[in-house]
Amino acid sequence: DIVLTQSPGTLSLSPGEGATLSCRTSQSVSSSSLSWYQQKPGQAPRLLMYAASSRATGIPARFSGSGSGTDFTLTISGLEPEDFAVYYCKQYGASTGYTFGQGTKLEIK
Amino acid sequence: QVQLVQSGAEVEKPGASVKISCKASGYAFTNYLIHWVRQAPGQGLEWMGVINPNNGDTDNAQKFRGRVTLTRDTSTTTVYMELSSLTFEDTAIYYCARERGGNWWFDPWGQGTLVTVSS
Repeated sequence: DIVLTQSPGTLSLSPGEGATLSCRTSQSVSSSSLSWYQQKPGQAPRLLMYAASSRATGIPARFSGSGSGTDFTLTISGLEPEDFAVYYCKQYGASTGYTFGQGTKLEIK
Repeated sequence: QVQLVQSGAEVEKPGASVKISCKASGYAFTNYLIHWVRQAPGQGLEWMGVINPNNGDTDNAQKFRGRVTLTRDTSTTTVYMELSSLTFEDTAIYYCARERGGNWWFDPWGQGTLVTVSS
């Protein structure tokens, strides 16, 4: 099974700062199958990025995604108060179905 | 607009079954897959399975095979997820989410349904 490991577990930053969230897979995956989701307390997850680097509809340009193979990154430039949430990466594998990372909590410092 | 609206919270006893609905609107129902994902209290997201509303084909995560049944009603554009042999560990919020086949991303998600297993 492919394991997704997100780091750090918790990231404490101030509004205006930049955030870098990592998602590493235990084996190489297709960038097309890698997506990122944002979840705020009491809400359903929301699609942020798909195919590793494409922003979903309505997602601000301060969000960007990159990576390939086993290393993927979600970058948020200039944190806004509404960006503080939990972020999950997810990938699809033909033999294992869909797997989520354990999440990174982005909290206000 | 595209919406997935789920049924309300449920409380069930251990050993029982629960059936949750997910009503789709605002798009061609049979053109998109519907997935189910759950989240235990304070925990991360766990994929459970998927149904193709066009033909009823399903695929479940290994962990849930034999316990999860996914069905759909095309006349009401509703997908159902039934989970049997409930244990306390099945207490969670259950989400449905849409995927255009082969795109591998989920958008949008339903609002979630809390299932509490309690004796």
